[in-house]
Amino acid sequence: KAGVTQTPRYLIKTRGQQVTLSCSPISGHRSVSWYQQTPGQGLQFLFEYFSETQRNKGNFPGRFSGRQFSNSRSEMNVSTLELGDSALYLCASSFVPGQGLYYGYTFGSGTRLTVV
Amino acid sequence: QQQVKQSPQSLIVQKGGISIINCAYENTAFDYFPWYQQFPGKGPALLIAIRPDVSEKKEGRFTISFNKSAKQFSLHIMDSQPGDSATYFCAASRNNFNKFYFGSGTKLNVKP
Repeated sequence: KAGVTQTPRYLIKTRGQQVTLSCSPISGHRSVSWYQQTPGQGLQFLFEYFSETQRNKGNFPGRFSGRQFSNSRSEMNVSTLELGDSALYLCASSFVPGQGLYYGYTFGSGTRLTVV
Repeated sequence: QQQVKQSPQSLIVQKGGISIINCAYENTAFDYFPWYQQFPGKGPALLIAIRPDVSEKKEGRFTISFNKSAKQFSLHIMDSQPGDSATYFCAASRNNFNKFYFGSGTKLNVKP
């Protein structure tokens, strides 16, 4: 069965631009979460969506936003990019919100964003 | 404040040896503790997970030991193999939330 698909895999943007990343969850999964991974800060939670509603939000500025569509696909947007936004952005999905082991919480391979 | 602290940052083990990675958490409301394995260029993959009502869980060569009173848990990899060389993350979450707090990661290198 297909895993979590994130597009694009790599992206280079200039400071001040905005970017949109896409995540297609595993078929049947309705909960999608986003994480930022950097060498300095590690894996940090951005937000979680379920049934097109944001359930949780991490401690990131308002430049980071997301949404979920009726088919459970999700997008995250970062506006006014800063150099510090360079990171691997990971998406994870599960059937419903809850502990991954029992609800199939699976990560995609991520989108590597580089801001220059 | 870092909710989950992980050590060591890196670990070198000989093939066949035991790899041990430790984590400590702050929030007593956490009730789900998974371990993830990540290879370069890939997302984290769930290895094994435990709930605080048990003190140990074993799956193949991987064992989680959990000490609720000390708020600590650890991953033991028995008979470590070169293919186990990866970065390992511990994590914690609260009931019914997909908001995971991750440790800082341990880069494991298993020497042949």
